[in-house]
Amino acid sequence: NAGVTQTPKFQVLKTGQSMTLQCAQDMNHEYMSWYRQDPGMGLRLIHYSVGAGITDQGEVPNGYNVSRSTTEDFPLRLLSAAPSQTSVYFCASSYSQGALGGYTFGSGTRLTVV
Amino acid sequence: KQEVTQIPAALSVPEGENLVLNCSFTDSAIYNLQWFRQDPGKGLTSLLLIQSSQREQTSGRLNASLDKSSGRSTLYIAASQPGDSATYLCAVNPGNQFYFGTGTSLTVIP
Repeated sequence: NAGVTQTPKFQVLKTGQSMTLQCAQDMNHEYMSWYRQDPGMGLRLIHYSVGAGITDQGEVPNGYNVSRSTTEDFPLRLLSAAPSQTSVYFCASSYSQGALGGYTFGSGTRLTVV
Repeated sequence: KQEVTQIPAALSVPEGENLVLNCSFTDSAIYNLQWFRQDPGKGLTSLLLIQSSQREQTSGRLNASLDKSSGRSTLYIAASQPGDSATYLCAVNPGNQFYFGTGTSLTVIP
């Protein structure tokens, strides 16, 4: 099925550990983004990419790195996990930054940092 | 920065009732607005997308309207069903990203 695939679905990390959240889409979307969802705060943009080789920061980028070597993949790296990074992470993609076709979301990664 | 507000935060209605969910945003310069549904512990499912040049979109029992000048959108759900119980999120796109509201949690009582 065409769409956005996120792995893993669940992850528990210890403070200070690093990990990569994977995101892949097969719709040939140029625009990809990462959001985090926290209770009472809605979804907030972490990083985004308008095409392979191009990334930029969103509203809450600290503690996260991204790269975009292919159109299909947009991994999110946590450099040194902190309890404040406990959240649900969503990857979203669209044809363009203006999202004329709207966003398609992955099913999310629920991350707990202890 | 674009601020998106959704009222009410929670809503409980009996099955069969028609209902309206509200979304307001502070900056009317938007490309489009999208309504999503989120079930507990799940991802976001797109319901309706309204481009800035459009006034409304319809899909089945759902109708979304957009009034850019007043910074408002409504999602109308006709003949509500228990399966409609979920959180409904509104998001607006000024051209660089989507800004989300915190959602309306809807419970439809059988």
